Amino acid sequence: DAGVTQSPTHLIKTRGQQVTLRCSPISGHKSVSWYQQVLGQGPQFIFQYYEKEERGRGNFPDRFSARQFPNYSSELNVNALLLGDSALYLCASNQLGMDTQYFGPGTRLTVL
Amino acid sequence: QQQVKQSPQSLIVQKGGISIINCAYENTAFDYFPWYQQFPGKGPALLIAIRPDVSEKKEGRFTISFNKSAKQFSLHIMDSQPGDSATYFCAATLTSGSARQLTFGSGTQLTVLP
Repeated sequence: DAGVTQSPTHLIKTRGQQVTLRCSPISGHKSVSWYQQVLGQGPQFIFQYYEKEERGRGNFPDRFSARQFPNYSSELNVNALLLGDSALYLCASNQLGMDTQYFGPGTRLTVL
Repeated sequence: QQQVKQSPQSLIVQKGGISIINCAYENTAFDYFPWYQQFPGKGPALLIAIRPDVSEKKEGRFTISFNKSAKQFSLHIMDSQPGDSATYFCAATLTSGSARQLTFGSGTQLTVLP
């Protein structure tokens, strides 16, 4: 079975631009979470979605938003990019009611 | 207090040795404690996980020891191999609103020398 997939793999943007990252969960997984991993640090929770609704949000500004589609895939949007948004963005999926989250390979975002 | 503190930051072990990574938490609302392994350029992969009602869990060469009263838990890697060289993250999960939120430690870079 395919794992969590994310696209694109790498992305380079300039300050002030907007970016959209995409995630497809493992088949059968209805919950998707997004994490930001700055180089040399552990991942930080951004959002969790299931049943197309935001269920939790970490300490991130309103420039960060996300949505989940009927097929359970998800998009993360970041507006007005800052240099500090440069990071690996990870998507994880899990079955509802199960704690184990499975991570995708991430999207490496570089903001110049 | 959703912080999870992890040590050491880096660890060098000889092949065949035991690697030990420690984590501590403050928030007693955490109720699920996974360990993840991450190779460069890859996403974290689940290694092993434990709940606070269990003091130890072993899977192959990997063992979690959990001390609920001290709010500490650790990962032991027995017979460490060069292929184990990676970054290891402890994590803890709690319910926040209607979300199950995972909080990660800062990571330990393990190097196993051949």
